[in-house]
Amino acid sequence: DVKVTQSSRYLVKRTGEKVFLECVQDMDHENMFWYRQDPGLGLRLIYFSYDVKMKEKGDIPEGYSVSREKKERFSLILESASTNQTSMYLCASSSRLAGTRDTQYFGPGTRLTVL
Amino acid sequence: AQTVTQSQPEMSVQEAETVTLSCTYDTSENNYYLFWYKQPPSRQMILVIRQEAYKQQNATENRFSVNFQKAAKSFSLKISDSQLGDTAMYFCAFMISNEKLTFGTGTRLTIIP
Repeated sequence: DVKVTQSSRYLVKRTGEKVFLECVQDMDHENMFWYRQDPGLGLRLIYFSYDVKMKEKGDIPEGYSVSREKKERFSLILESASTNQTSMYLCASSSRLAGTRDTQYFGPGTRLTVL
Repeated sequence: AQTVTQSQPEMSVQEAETVTLSCTYDTSENNYYLFWYKQPPSRQMILVIRQEAYKQQNATENRFSVNFQKAAKSFSLKISDSQLGDTAMYFCAFMISNEKLTFGTGTRLTIIP
């Protein structure tokens, strides 16, 4: 069974704090993704990574950065949290193997509140 | 850029009935994948069903089936014999070869006992 875990289920932070959201997958997947989910907006891609130390901007990267030092771990960083970053954050991973590359597996999500 | 539209924010249906969720998309690509993902309340998002655009045959997974109309850019999900466990947010999603997903805004489905 593919397992994608996220470090926290709920997180409360203050405006201006630096926030780290961690994601770990145990299936040796090459691809990893960070989304934010907001009511009425669906899921929007923040950043993704096709390999270790590689990163690509998604649709809404402003205010975020990422780190991928190991294949299994993909971190989302909010350098200076703001109230408009209050959201549900979902991590996902997928394989690059032919025939399997299209299915993404999701973590349980981290609900972040910035006060 | 690709867009995915789900025009039904909320739906409800009696248990054991059939329900159809709508999804339309816009793309200039010819080869792509379409998905329906399910997100139960407070639980993980999981894949329900996938369709490859080059395949004419509609995908089916047990009680879940799709109606894929490529020319109309339509990809609806039909749930037959609905069960209480089908209560969830359902997201339609689209992918081209770059392996990035574009999601719709979701449909909240409630199955009424």
